Formats: sequence, structure tokens, C-alpha cells
Amino acid sequence: QKEVEQDPGPLSVPEGAIVSLNCTYSNSAFQYFMWYRQYSRKGPELLMYTYSSGNKEDGRFTAQVDKSSKYISLFIRDSQPSDSATYLCAMNDYGQNFVFGPGTRLSVLP
Amino acid sequence: DSGVTQTPKHLITATGQRVTLRCSPRSGDLSVYWYQQSLDQGLQFLIQYYNGEERAKGNILERFSAQQFPDLHSELNLSSLELGDSALYFCASSPGSGANVLTFGAGSRLTVL
Repeated sequence: QKEVEQDPGPLSVPEGAIVSLNCTYSNSAFQYFMWYRQYSRKGPELLMYTYSSGNKEDGRFTAQVDKSSKYISLFIRDSQPSDSATYLCAMNDYGQNFVFGPGTRLSVLP
Repeated sequence: DSGVTQTPKHLITATGQRVTLRCSPRSGDLSVYWYQQSLDQGLQFLIQYYNGEERAKGNILERFSAQQFPDLHSELNLSSLELGDSALYFCASSPGSGANVLTFGAGSRLTVL
């Protein structure tokens, strides 16, 4: 079993749709959870950062962490064509070990 | 601009050659990470340095080496290059304590012909 699993997609949605992106993980030591957005051939940029379980909202983006299920989600409301990118989940324990999911490629169609 | 600077942006070289990629971390960050991303592949962790010391090693080939200097910039050296080494190489930095997030640079695109 991989440490972090993520559906690679591609996921295509119409503009304005609500997008749900998910990751599952196996290591219960992970405490910090991140979502990165990566445009083609560019560096990943941090979108959301949460600690432990719960929800965090930032504009059109909501991150959810359910540590009991080892499951994290990113929701994008009112999706825009500019949201078309690869979304990477990442997690970290109290140390400096960062583990990334393989990424989900999202296309938002106008 | 993320604050993490990588040079060169793009490098084309031949098999068997050696190249050096450079990274300057975000101001105040002590940790530097190197990742490799081949076409349409995920991020592969190569190596991490913290305040000049090697902290963790991932899937880094013996032909590759890295170091972090006293001014905290880091260099990734790739030698005896093969076609399969063509990839994007990303540097990321983190404070090393406190907030556990990585900030990535724009990457160095290596093409081996």
C-alpha cells in the first residue's frame, strides 16, 4: 500500500461546478496536511494548509481533514477555467518528512 | 514570486555530461529539499538539507550529489547524465521548525540529448 493515494484523474468539469479532490493515507503520524496547485511545467504553489482534523476555508477553497478515516479533501466552489491544473496533496509528521500524492489533473471547461 | 530562487531555468546538455543546479531558499528558511519530476510523473524526493547538514535521502542516484553551503544556498550536482535524467528539478525550502510547509521554486528544466 502506498503511503498516500490520490486519484490521478484526469477530472473534467464544467465551469461553475463544485470540485472534490481527495487523498487517503496510511501513516497515522501525519499531522500537517497541505494542498498544492501545479500549473503545467511550473513549481507547485501552496493553496491550503491545515493542522490535524477539521475544516479550513479560504475563498472558493475548503480543505477537510478526517484523521480517523485517514482521508483529506479539497473542495473548489464555482470552479473557473483558471483552476485547471494538477492538485497535489501533501502531508507531514512532526519531523521534516513530507510525503506527496501523485496529483490529480483537473480541467475546468468554459 | 515564492522567494525560492532556482537557476538555471532551462538547461540542455548531452549524455555523459555533468551539470549543477542552484537553489537559494526563502529568507529565513533553514531546510532545503530537492525533488525530481519527470514528464507527467509525481514529485520524487531526492534529498534534504537542514542548516548545512544532510537530513534525509530519498531516491537519489549515486551519480547525483548535493550540498548546502553556509549561506544556506544549495547545489544539486548531476553527473554522467543519461537520457532518463531529463526532468524538472525542483528545490523547496521550509523554516525547519514551526510551520511545516514547503515553498517551491520555479524549477530547473533539464534536457539531456
